[in-house]
Amino acid sequence: EDQVTQSPEALRLQEGESSSLNCSYTVSGLRGLFWYRQDPGKGPEFLFTLYSAGEEKEKERLKATLTKKESFLHITAPKPEDSATYLCAPAGTQGGSEKLVFGKGTKLTVNP
Amino acid sequence: SQTIHQWPATLVQPVGSPLSLECTVEGTSNPNLYWYRQAAGRGLQLLFYSVGIGQISSEVPQNLSASRPQDRQFILSSKKLLLSDSGFYLCAWSVGTGVPPGGYFGAGTRLSVL
Repeated sequence: EDQVTQSPEALRLQEGESSSLNCSYTVSGLRGLFWYRQDPGKGPEFLFTLYSAGEEKEKERLKATLTKKESFLHITAPKPEDSATYLCAPAGTQGGSEKLVFGKGTKLTVNP
Repeated sequence: SQTIHQWPATLVQPVGSPLSLECTVEGTSNPNLYWYRQAAGRGLQLLFYSVGIGQISSEVPQNLSASRPQDRQFILSSKKLLLSDSGFYLCAWSVGTGVPPGGYFGAGTRLSVL
């Protein structure tokens, strides 16, 4: 069965304090891994897609990396507006169809 | 550009009442469409997905159903709501065959069943 574990569940940082979020996954036939940002009461906002081990993607203060079993979301010098829940979702091929499997997310709080 | 509309934004319904949530996508053709539910403290759970008109796949046995009467319209329904149906319901879309289904999400509907 496909599984996704995100850690930590919650993370508090001071503005400017860099850190990383982890996403460990076990997915059959990985087709890609997606990162989303979700603000309270809103739908997830697409950030990145990673397709193969060793791939990296960057957007502003965020950088996502992928290995065969994990993905990391690195946050460099975060600002309060980066506060949100970050969701990881690998896409696997299960039963002949492609589906996203979501982790529970990491709630990031950046204090000024 | 593509946009996804989902309504209503919030809904309070009594136990045993019917449900109809609607989602429409603009700016694309033949999208894959998805209904997810997000309960407090839990990850997003895929409920239904559709690759075309009238084609619905169910992921979780429950008292909910989905229909796709038009190419860019996806409807989530129930004949009788349960307390356990409360949650945040999200519609999403993606395009392409052979492409990982990274979905783009609507704003969601907060459903409270009382």
